Amino acid sequence: GIQVEQSPPDLILQEGANSTLRCNFSDSVNNLQWFHQNPWGQLINLFYIPSGTKQNGRLSATTVATERYSLLYISSSQTTDSGVYFCAVEQGTSGTYKYIFGTGTRLKVLA
Amino acid sequence: ETGVTQSPTHLIKTRGQQVTLRCSSQSGHNTVSWYQQALGQGPQFIFQYYREEENGRGNFPPRFSGLQFPNYSSELNVNALELDDSALYLCASSWGEGVGYEQYFGPGTRLTVT
Repeated sequence: GIQVEQSPPDLILQEGANSTLRCNFSDSVNNLQWFHQNPWGQLINLFYIPSGTKQNGRLSATTVATERYSLLYISSSQTTDSGVYFCAVEQGTSGTYKYIFGTGTRLKVLA
Repeated sequence: ETGVTQSPTHLIKTRGQQVTLRCSSQSGHNTVSWYQQALGQGPQFIFQYYREEENGRGNFPPRFSGLQFPNYSSELNVNALELDDSALYLCASSWGEGVGYEQYFGPGTRLTVT
């Protein structure tokens, strides 16, 4: 089955620093989402981005579907950015859908 | 607009028992997916329901079953609970099946099996 790998697995930043998180997937996918999971377990939608580039405030994301990777950029990091970042991809057709989450990047932003 | 809600928040069961978890989809959404997230791991896809029928399934045994009701809410049932079933169970809803539809997650139900 498809493999979804994220790097780095762990990241520690000083407040104000920038970072790039990567998501590699081993097969073609229908769509891709980025999530931030807060300490209480809530998954917060960041981007729905099967291809192209999107920006939302200090965050932006780029997916290059033909090369099977996606990048999440965090600029001017804040302590509230701490948590686990997941990418998730979807495969299949009607009746056979599967959703696969990546291995996650655990981010800690220090004040 | 009402977001995805799940009940109960926490639950403690004994090995061998059965459990039912509930999910109400976000208003306007007709598709519900369920995930299991063990401690320290990413969510694992259990199954998806669209128009009251199972529309996709991950690698989970048949003792994990579900329902979707005409109002698009959903239940996840787990029979013969095992210790490894202890996890955070997440529900997500979307408008439409599969391709092209963004999923939104509820806060989860934390199940502990003793």
